[in-house]
Amino acid sequence: QAHLVQSGPEVKKPGSSVKVSCEASGDTLNNYAINWVRQAPGHGLEWVGGITPIFDTTNYAQKFQGRVSITADKSKDTAFMELSGLRSEDTAIYYCAREFVALGYAAFDMWGQGTLVTVSS
Amino acid sequence: QSVLTQPPSTSGTPGQRVTIPCTGSTSNIGSNSVNWYQQVPGTAPKLLIQSDDQRPSGVPDRFSASKSGTSASLTISGLQSEDEAVYYCASWDVSLNGHWVFGGGTKLTVL
Repeated sequence: QAHLVQSGPEVKKPGSSVKVSCEASGDTLNNYAINWVRQAPGHGLEWVGGITPIFDTTNYAQKFQGRVSITADKSKDTAFMELSGLRSEDTAIYYCAREFVALGYAAFDMWGQGTLVTVSS
Repeated sequence: QSVLTQPPSTSGTPGQRVTIPCTGSTSNIGSNSVNWYQQVPGTAPKLLIQSDDQRPSGVPDRFSASKSGTSASLTISGLQSEDEAVYYCASWDVSLNGHWVFGGGTKLTVL
């Protein structure tokens, strides 16, 4: 059964960068878009951005423009999210989510297990 | 501050029916479908309702949802203890080149 497998937890210094991976195990990235959603401790869900690998197009939340880069390696069915200029407020669980698109709607129908990114000096 | 507005918490007793509202605007709920996600503490969110009112395979029919104008709601009938979770509404927003928006989440406590 297909599922999304994310890389392990990260601890980073302020000002550095982090790159989180998301592998579509048992499936291919060509069929879907992959989005990244983060959740700070005790807070709700916040969309970071997404990529449609088959078209190589990306879309980022305005809040993260210039700091985030989402890429995909289609040969490995793996998507990546790199966030730079890390600050303590970026401490969060980062989830990748598969975007299923049908006629007239789209939804995140599969989620990775989440990757905790801790930013601390 | 979330783009979509939800009450922070609600509660009910087993067997009761609870409704969680979600308010948006013309740029999101008013022009695109609404999805609902359930998040049990310590786990990843799970898609509960898609396209305003459609349950994905495997979601019990105790869960239902509707949308009208720029508002949506999720109803859980016959509340069960395992329904205790945080519920999020979400929609595509057409402003700013398009982006996904979420509600702040509603924590459901089963008393």
